[in-house]
Amino acid sequence: TQLLEQSPQFLSIQEGENLTVYCNSSSVFSSLQWYRQEPGEGPVLLVTVVTGGEVKKLKRLTFQFGDARKDSSLHITAAQPGDTGLYLCAGERNAGNMLTFGGGTRLMVKP
Amino acid sequence: EPEVTQTPSHQVTQMGQEVILRCVPISNHLYFYWYRQILGQKVEFLVSFYNNEISEKSEIFDDQFSVERPDGSNFTLKIRSTKLEDSAMYFCASSESSGPQHFGDGTRLSIL
Repeated sequence: TQLLEQSPQFLSIQEGENLTVYCNSSSVFSSLQWYRQEPGEGPVLLVTVVTGGEVKKLKRLTFQFGDARKDSSLHITAAQPGDTGLYLCAGERNAGNMLTFGGGTRLMVKP
Repeated sequence: EPEVTQTPSHQVTQMGQEVILRCVPISNHLYFYWYRQILGQKVEFLVSFYNNEISEKSEIFDDQFSVERPDGSNFTLKIRSTKLEDSAMYFCASSESSGPQHFGDGTRLSIL
């Protein structure tokens, strides 16, 4: 069974601060996807990382896939209240296969 | 932007009854999935479907569950003889052959 451990589970910070969310596994994934989920809605895709060591930027969000494709991180620079939400990482063994989800990081950014 | 749509948004059913959850995947996608999320827990994989057959299923997806693509657009999840512990959010997702999975907004299933 593949497991993805996400940390921290909860994070409450002030507007303007930086933060990093981690997603770790002992298993190798062919790709890893980051989602954001609002209450009452489905996960919305933010980014997919595929290559070991890959770094992708989405405005103030930076995503990194570990060299061994077992872990990933999400770094948010100068967080804003609009960043508040639940962030989920999910790993895929092969295209078309199931996603294994982490437990999520609930972020609150206070103005 | 194309999206996955799910109906109903909320389903309340008596224990023991059958429910059918419906999904319309993104039109050019070939892979379809069902996941569930029990309140306060992780999103869990149930089943994936490709080329009109189940390609992968989890331990959760037992004989109580079935999936069907009755026509060219719909993808359904049927739960027979529902139990209290089936109460959860059920998410449908779809993907192209090598792309990421896109999720619908889910159906909240409440078993009384």
